[in-house]
Amino acid sequence: QVQLQESGPGLVKPSETLSLTCSVSGGSISTYYWSWIRQPPGKGLEWIGYAHYTGSTNFNPSLKSRVTISIDRSKDQFSLTLSSVTAADTAFYFCTRGSRSPFGSFSFDSWGQGTLVTVSS
Amino acid sequence: QSALTQPASVSGSPGQSITFSCNESSSDIGTYNLVSWYQQYPGKAPKLLIYEGGKRPSGVSNRFFGSKSGNTASLTISGLQTEDEADYYCSSYTGTNTLVVFGAGTKLTV
Repeated sequence: QVQLQESGPGLVKPSETLSLTCSVSGGSISTYYWSWIRQPPGKGLEWIGYAHYTGSTNFNPSLKSRVTISIDRSKDQFSLTLSSVTAADTAFYFCTRGSRSPFGSFSFDSWGQGTLVTVSS
Repeated sequence: QSALTQPASVSGSPGQSITFSCNESSSDIGTYNLVSWYQQYPGKAPKLLIYEGGKRPSGVSNRFFGSKSGNTASLTISGLQTEDEADYYCSSYTGTNTLVVFGAGTKLTV
């Protein structure tokens, strides 16, 4: 049973860079689409993007200019960086394992518990 | 970019069947039903209930059933239980710029 665990600062100052890491245990980091999804408190889910073990990435166009997602296969970890943050980036950030269907759709079957990142000075 | 529309809330009584709708503005759902459904309890991570329209991951109760009609995907819960009280989100593949889109979620009250 794969398990995911987010780690990183819970408080980031405006205009700075948010950095989170997800540690994967109980399964290989190969094959799947390792994704980040966020949820502002009391609101809905927003897909941020994914990194595939082959090196391919894809991001939500609304965040694309500020987002990087990378995989460290040697550590079974993947990371998120989001630059130039504002209060609107305050949210619970979830790391997830995604699968892609033959038709292109994604589903996320394993999730970290989520970590709250607050953007405030 | 297509949008997924979900009702804000639904309610039901124990033992009943209840259906959540997820309407997509473009024609993607009508073509393949690529929708996934997630259940989320307060303060917890979402859990995958249905993928590719109607498939259930191992361990998910067969009380959860996914389907589609035209541009509307649906999640039906049969034999409603108090533990089903949660938020339910649909997600789909747009095939365009944003690969993954979520609906705003429906709050189920039992």
